[in-house]
Amino acid sequence: AQSVTQLDSQVPVFEEAPVELRCNYSSSVSVYLFWYVQYPNQGLQLLLKYLSGSTLVKGINGFEAEFNKSQTSFHLRKPSVHISDTAEYFCAVTTYNTDKLIFGTGTRLQVFP
Amino acid sequence: ETGVTQSPTHLIKTRGQQVTLRCSSQSGHNTVSWYQQALGQGPQFIFQYYREEENGRGNFPPRFSGLQFPNYSSELNVNALELDDSALYLCASSLWVGANTGELFFGEGSRLTVL
Repeated sequence: AQSVTQLDSQVPVFEEAPVELRCNYSSSVSVYLFWYVQYPNQGLQLLLKYLSGSTLVKGINGFEAEFNKSQTSFHLRKPSVHISDTAEYFCAVTTYNTDKLIFGTGTRLQVFP
Repeated sequence: ETGVTQSPTHLIKTRGQQVTLRCSSQSGHNTVSWYQQALGQGPQFIFQYYREEENGRGNFPPRFSGLQFPNYSSELNVNALELDDSALYLCASSLWVGANTGELFFGEGSRLTVL
């Protein structure tokens, strides 16, 4: 079975500062990893995903994440955040033989002017 | 290419009632999954439908049931509603070809409030 831990429930940051949202996973088999964003009162939008290949994955809105197998991590980063990045961010894991996602509890990114 | 659409967007029910939520999958997708997202929590997998049959179920009681139709659209039914069923219900569609393609798309959700 897989599990996901998002270490920070809330991350406050000032506009134009860099940000890192942390995600660790547990699995006995190879994993696929995802980051989703959820704006208030909306559904989930895919930011980026890691299936295989390069461990540095670039997504939409200037976000990127790095898959680190030895540390079982998939941290999300952005070099300079905007007010519009304020949202809830979810890390999720699945495997090659299923597309059922296991989600973390989410990290609330709050960007201040 | 149309995305995943869900209806209704909001609804209010009382305890003991029954509710049906609907989902139209993205064009070209053959699998539909349902997730429950309680306030302040991450989405939890309810079940998945593939070729009109249930293909995996999370830790939800039998009063949560579903259907998938030949056009790959789906319904989620919840009987005997409880207060804890209040949540955002998310539908996701994907293309299953015997392995995970990594393409899973979510709808905007149906927000259910149980009073």
